[in-house]
Amino acid sequence: GAGVSQSPSNKVTEKGKDVELRCDPISGHTALYWYRQSLGQGLEFLIYFQGNSAPDKSGLPSDRFSAERTGGSVSTLTIQRTQQEDSAVYLCASSLVMRHLAYEQYFGPGTRLTVT
Amino acid sequence: AQSVTQPDIHITVSEGASLELRCNYSYGATPYLFWYVQSPGQGLQLLLKYFSGDTLVQGIKGFEAEFKRSQSSFNLRKPSVHWSDAAEYFCAVGVRNYQLIWGAGTKLIIKP
Repeated sequence: GAGVSQSPSNKVTEKGKDVELRCDPISGHTALYWYRQSLGQGLEFLIYFQGNSAPDKSGLPSDRFSAERTGGSVSTLTIQRTQQEDSAVYLCASSLVMRHLAYEQYFGPGTRLTVT
Repeated sequence: AQSVTQPDIHITVSEGASLELRCNYSYGATPYLFWYVQSPGQGLQLLLKYFSGDTLVQGIKGFEAEFKRSQSSFNLRKPSVHWSDAAEYFCAVGVRNYQLIWGAGTKLIIKP
């Protein structure tokens, strides 16, 4: 079956512009995660959606970052007034929510964001 | 605070040689532990996981890992590496709300 897809694969934007990154999770996966991976770093948790529950936004680095998930499926991560330090690869993952299976996350290929 | 340490940023191994990648964690409860691999141009893929039970777990591609509670470690091993194993390897610990805390990764380089 289809895996997690993300678009665009690459995005170059000017400092101060807004960007939207999209994630299509695996069909049937009710949990969706966004991570940020900076060069030479591990993954940094940003936000977690589970079904219709309020999202866990504890990892969002500033109020310039927001995310939504429509209809329990597709998610969009929005970064407003981008800064050069926002340059990174943004990864989306999805999983089932069934005890331990929720930790088995399936990742998309990522969106490489470059802010000039 | 919860954390994962991968002390080796890079490791170079000859093809056919054995491999051990180190991972140490800090977590107050019984950990759920994971190894993921990120190959160039590809997404992260789960190699293996530990939830409970047998402390030696087998994964895909011939990898195994051993959980040692006394050492807070979950080292990844492979008896004989192949050139296709060149990639970056990440160790992670599962915490509340199904979150994963990640190590910084170890880049594996294979010498022909």
